Amino acid sequence: NAGVMQNPRHLVRRRGQEARLRCSPMKGHSHVYWYRQLPEEGLKFMVYLQKENIIDESGMPKERFSAEFPKEGPSILRIQQVVRGDSAAYFCASSPGEGMNTEAFFGQGTRLTVV
Amino acid sequence: AQSVTQPDIHITVSEGASLELRCNYSYGATPYLFWYVQSPGQGLQLLLKYFSGDTLVQGIKGFEAEFKRSQSSFNLRKPSVHWSDAAEYFCAVGPNNAGNNRKLIWGLGTSLAVNP
Repeated sequence: NAGVMQNPRHLVRRRGQEARLRCSPMKGHSHVYWYRQLPEEGLKFMVYLQKENIIDESGMPKERFSAEFPKEGPSILRIQQVVRGDSAAYFCASSPGEGMNTEAFFGQGTRLTVV
Repeated sequence: AQSVTQPDIHITVSEGASLELRCNYSYGATPYLFWYVQSPGQGLQLLLKYFSGDTLVQGIKGFEAEFKRSQSSFNLRKPSVHWSDAAEYFCAVGPNNAGNNRKLIWGLGTSLAVNP
């Protein structure tokens, strides 16, 4: 009964490089959420995906950020041409659905540092 | 504006002492309230939640929280703290409807240290 697995736990990238963050949801969960925690700020919703579909990306920056959740494999949050302001903790959560009061289970997070 | 405030950034208590972590919120509709804990090296874990009904909510690990509408508060309490409770605690508020996982507003967290 593995929980939500995120890797890597820590990621260091130079400005202009690409960052790929991976999230494997809990077994049986087909709904994935990505959140970002900037320094001195609370968690903020970024994107919500179901298998092969982006359902809600209202919290995602318009440029450089993308997310996918393929039929096979983990969900990927991709940040192109990273800048210092992308340094943050990125959390993934999964749930079996999105009915009322459905609990989301969180991973440990990936801490991205842009140097 | 909708917001969650956790006034205490860092708290230190002695093992066996009682604990209260404060959470105040500003929210226009009937809120759905959560407390999460993040232990070192672990993901965020749901401690308890308030949806409706009894304003005193029991959670896991011996925690409880009381919803006080008049004070817009949802403080977390534990009668006797254990060393394993050292962690980061997050309060969150959201709408009580489907899709609320996307709409939660989170506090900045309170870091709890426990002295032996």
